[in-house]
Amino acid sequence: DGGITQSPKYLFRKEGQNVTLSCEQNLNHDAMYWYRQDPGQGLRLIYYSQIVNDFQKGDIAEGYSVSREKKESFPLTVTSAQKNPTAFYLCASRASGTYNEQFFGPGTRLTVL
Amino acid sequence: KQEVTQIPAALSVPEGENLVLNCSFTDSAIYNLQWFRQDPGKGLTSLLLIQSSQREQTSGRLNASLDKSSGRSTLYIAASQPGDSATYLCAVRSVGNQFYFGTGTSLTVIP
Repeated sequence: DGGITQSPKYLFRKEGQNVTLSCEQNLNHDAMYWYRQDPGQGLRLIYYSQIVNDFQKGDIAEGYSVSREKKESFPLTVTSAQKNPTAFYLCASRASGTYNEQFFGPGTRLTVL
Repeated sequence: KQEVTQIPAALSVPEGENLVLNCSFTDSAIYNLQWFRQDPGKGLTSLLLIQSSQREQTSGRLNASLDKSSGRSTLYIAASQPGDSATYLCAVRSVGNQFYFGTGTSLTVIP
């Protein structure tokens, strides 16, 4: 089965802690993306990566960090510097090429206690 | 910066009705536009992708059109069913590698 997996589905964090959200894909896609979704707002881009060992900041990168050591994996770390991290986080991937569509994982809901 | 708007924010229709969802964007320099469906608490499911050179795409009861010059796309759903109830989002890929999303239209189909 080809697809994108995200874990965990639910995550609870105490203030001041860093947490890492997992995103894995077996679609052989070069590009991967992290989005944040808040109620009443559209998806906002946090980071994206077009190729292994390279990534770019999106519109709301402050307080987040990523790595892309393997093509299949693009973990997102939510650091204690992120002031309002409670949100639904979505990972996506896309085959390289101008006209290819994005595919999404099932999401991780992060709640800060 | 590209801005994407979806109107209405919510829509309720009786089962069997045909309906149209709207998506508008401010910068016509796009590569493509993609329509998604999102069920509560779930990820996004891709419905249709329209390239910038295309006018429309069809999949089953769904038909998406694109008028790039006026910055508009519509998603037409024929013979709506209760299972179509979900939030529908559009996203445009502008020059560069970013996708910009609308806030979605929440659709309820009443049996």
